[in-house]
Amino acid sequence: AQTVTQSQPEMSVQEAETVTLSCTYDTSENNYYLFWYKQPPSRQMILVIRQEAYKQQNATENRFSVNFQKAAKSFSLKISDSQLGDTAMYFCAFMKSQGAQKLVFGQGTRLTINP
Amino acid sequence: KAGVTQTPRYLIKTRGQQVTLSCSPISGHRSVSWYQQTPGQGLQFLFEYFSETQRNKGNFPGRFSGRQFSNSRSEMNVSTLELGDSALYLCASSLAAGGTGELFFGEGSRLTVL
Repeated sequence: AQTVTQSQPEMSVQEAETVTLSCTYDTSENNYYLFWYKQPPSRQMILVIRQEAYKQQNATENRFSVNFQKAAKSFSLKISDSQLGDTAMYFCAFMKSQGAQKLVFGQGTRLTINP
Repeated sequence: KAGVTQTPRYLIKTRGQQVTLSCSPISGHRSVSWYQQTPGQGLQFLFEYFSETQRNKGNFPGRFSGRQFSNSRSEMNVSTLELGDSALYLCASSLAAGGTGELFFGEGSRLTVL
């Protein structure tokens, strides 16, 4: 079974700063996807960024980038130039690349961006 | 393009009752999955349907069931409600049959069991 661990329950930074959220996972699969989802107070889950395990290059989406270390089973999210709208719960998630589309989530990190 | 629509958004039930939640996926999406979100257990996978077939089921008791219709809309049912069933129930849809991974979530149905 796969597990996802987020060791930072809460984080708080000032607007415009850079923040890194940590995530580790455990799996015996070789092919899989990793995700960061954002859940703002309005609670709709939104995909932030996706990484395919077979790709060595780290995924980036504008101000969001990941540091994917497959051997270490680590998948951290970096948010650059943080904005007030980035305030949300962030969930790291895992999905096998074959079979049912089942996400395994971490416990989440509550990120607060202060003005 | 309309997003994933869940109804009702909020509901209150008492112990022992049953509840049915509905999810309309994004047009063209054939996979629908359900998740339970609670403060204590976090986000847990309930089940996934594709083309009216349940492909995978999470570790939940038989009181939790679901189905998918030919138009891809899905319902989940919880019978004999318990206090611990109070949660946000999230539905997600995706386009492909395989694990491409991109799920689109609805706003959820907040169930309170008294």
